[in-house]
Amino acid sequence: GAVVSQHPSRVICKSGTSVKIECRSLDFQATTMFWYRQFPKQSLMLMATSNEGSKATYEQGVEKDKFLINHASLTLSTLTVTSAHPEDSSFYICSINRDSDSNEQFFGPGTRLTVL
Amino acid sequence: AQSVSQHNHHVILSEAASLELGCNYSYGGTVNLFWYVQYPGQHLQLLLKYFSGDPLVKGIKGFEAEFIKSKFSFNLRKPSVQWSDTAEYFCAVNAFGNEKLTFGTGTRLTIIP
Repeated sequence: GAVVSQHPSRVICKSGTSVKIECRSLDFQATTMFWYRQFPKQSLMLMATSNEGSKATYEQGVEKDKFLINHASLTLSTLTVTSAHPEDSSFYICSINRDSDSNEQFFGPGTRLTVL
Repeated sequence: AQSVSQHNHHVILSEAASLELGCNYSYGGTVNLFWYVQYPGQHLQLLLKYFSGDPLVKGIKGFEAEFIKSKFSFNLRKPSVQWSDTAEYFCAVNAFGNEKLTFGTGTRLTIIP
């Protein structure tokens, strides 16, 4: 069964608005969650590591004020795309790490964001 | 920092053909290696992983991969593909002890019935 869920699955918004995407760990308390971005026909790029109870760690080139991450509980992390623009249109995917030995990650189904 | 390259961007095969998808990584230390599959309209799923032991790893749905340390490679193989194997395949690596995954650019596999 599903280990990670995301909501919404797709969202269309106007330029300048903010969009919140939720990532839930369904049967595991995840102190760490990961947020990726996938452009069409391209690979997944890690955006940030979400840490429960502390600030997220952003990858180089990712604007932390643009992509706000909140990890308020062990089962929920949110990504807010602030003042979205058409170039932010992408597929956003979250994941959790349930196996500390192999660091295997389990991925959510993704959220398709389209900014008009 | 590690990087991953997948040489085949799009592979088209007929059913029952044998498959090998290339994956090479660059990192000087110990790594964990993964192959993920993304079926049309579905989320990423793990096919197989290597983190220690036998370098020949068997995964789900008849897939296997061999870790060749001297070649920094982790190629994915399947002796006889099926139409249902049509999907996008991603190779990924993380450094031992580091949770961050680095993905290859992916290979789109199309199986013709």
